[in-house]
Amino acid sequence: DIVMTQSPDSLAVSLGERATINCKSSQSVLHSSNNKNYLAWYQQKPGQPPKVLIYWASTRESGVPDRIGGSGSGTDFTLTISSLQAEDVAVYYCHQYYSVPFTFGQGTKLEIK
Amino acid sequence: QVHLQQSGPGLMKPSQTLSLTCAISGDSVSSSSASWNWIRQSPSRGLEWLGRTYYRSKWYNDYAVSVKSRITINPDTSKNQFSLQLNSVTPEDTAVYYCARRGGYQHFDYWGQGTLVTVSS
Repeated sequence: DIVMTQSPDSLAVSLGERATINCKSSQSVLHSSNNKNYLAWYQQKPGQPPKVLIYWASTRESGVPDRIGGSGSGTDFTLTISSLQAEDVAVYYCHQYYSVPFTFGQGTKLEIK
Repeated sequence: QVHLQQSGPGLMKPSQTLSLTCAISGDSVSSSSASWNWIRQSPSRGLEWLGRTYYRSKWYNDYAVSVKSRITINPDTSKNQFSLQLNSVTPEDTAVYYCARRGGYQHFDYWGQGTLVTVSS
């Protein structure tokens, strides 16, 4: 199984400041056939299912504000919120869809300082 | 637009069989590109993928090793839905259960609303 490890577990950032969440996979999720990283980022708010923000490691889902971005390749990935807004308070998960069993990181709780 | 609507009981006793259904609108359970998944979430186990069913000229299933001996995921083409059965539940199976679509070889793009299943005597 591919183990996904996020850091930090929780993060407090001031409004308007940058938030950075890291995700490391235990093996590469870069597929050589198409040069795509099978890595997605989700945002989850209380009482709701996860909502995809980023897929293919850096492709923003339609409707996701451009202050939210993803980067990285192979085994190391980053989700960046360039200017934190109140509505960004949530738990964030990385997810690999490279191979079965599909796995998720443990989550990072983002709060306002 | 794809919509997944879950149904099923929320309270169970140990040793019973958990049964949930996910009704699909806006897509087909027989889609040749999508797969239909069950995922659960608990404080102790986080987000845990349980298994999937999909159609590629015939039906296939994949299951997580942790539940492989107890789980069945079945498509129902007549009602355009799929189901989860988990046998011999214990309090460890207490979680929010989600159904989700995986579009093509991609991420989980559509999710059901979630069902809190509590296993308690």
